[in-house]
Amino acid sequence: DGGITQSPKYLFRKEGQNVTLSCEQNLNHDAMYWYRQDPGQGLRLIYYSQIVNDFQKGDIAEGYSVSREKKESFPLTVTSAQKNPTAFYLCASSVTQGWANQPQHFGDGTRLSIL
Amino acid sequence: AQKVTQAQTEISVVEKEDVTLDCVYETRDTTYYLFWYKQPPSGELVFLIRRNSFDEQNEISGRYSWNFQKSTSSFNFTITASQVVDSAVYFCALSEETSGSRLTFGEGTQLTVNP
Repeated sequence: DGGITQSPKYLFRKEGQNVTLSCEQNLNHDAMYWYRQDPGQGLRLIYYSQIVNDFQKGDIAEGYSVSREKKESFPLTVTSAQKNPTAFYLCASSVTQGWANQPQHFGDGTRLSIL
Repeated sequence: AQKVTQAQTEISVVEKEDVTLDCVYETRDTTYYLFWYKQPPSGELVFLIRRNSFDEQNEISGRYSWNFQKSTSSFNFTITASQVVDSAVYFCALSEETSGSRLTFGEGTQLTVNP
């Protein structure tokens, strides 16, 4: 079945450590997105990518980094500079970023906690 | 700037009751799209419906219905004869033609349907 796979489902980070969240899609979508969700809050955009080897900062990019070397993959690294990384992270994709009418499709999320 | 407001943080109903989730939006674009997503306890966001700014027809899909009113900038969602499986967080979101498929989310409404 086509869809978005995020791994791991749960992740723990030690102080000063970088961690990478995986996101893979087999929907043949050009655009991919990373969101952060905090309890009782909506989703906030971290980074998005319109096409391979291209990505833009969202509303809360500080302390995060991404890469887009393959169309199917858009990993997110939470760096030690992110002082409050505990949250639920959601990856999404859409056919293309340029079409506002395209719904985004989401993965199951990764829950990141600090040890 | 665009904004989506879901004033109801939590709603609790008894099974078989009807419930309406409110969504109010702000945008300066004349062409925009409104979405509703459901987030069950598993975490994945499930796309429910998309509406464009030029189509104010109400839509019904089974027990779900949506009321779009440009005059009040609202896009409300009604569940008829609610069921326990409807328990989830529901998000309203907005995309603008000038921003492509970037979504602005409301803060979500936690719906609990009790047996």
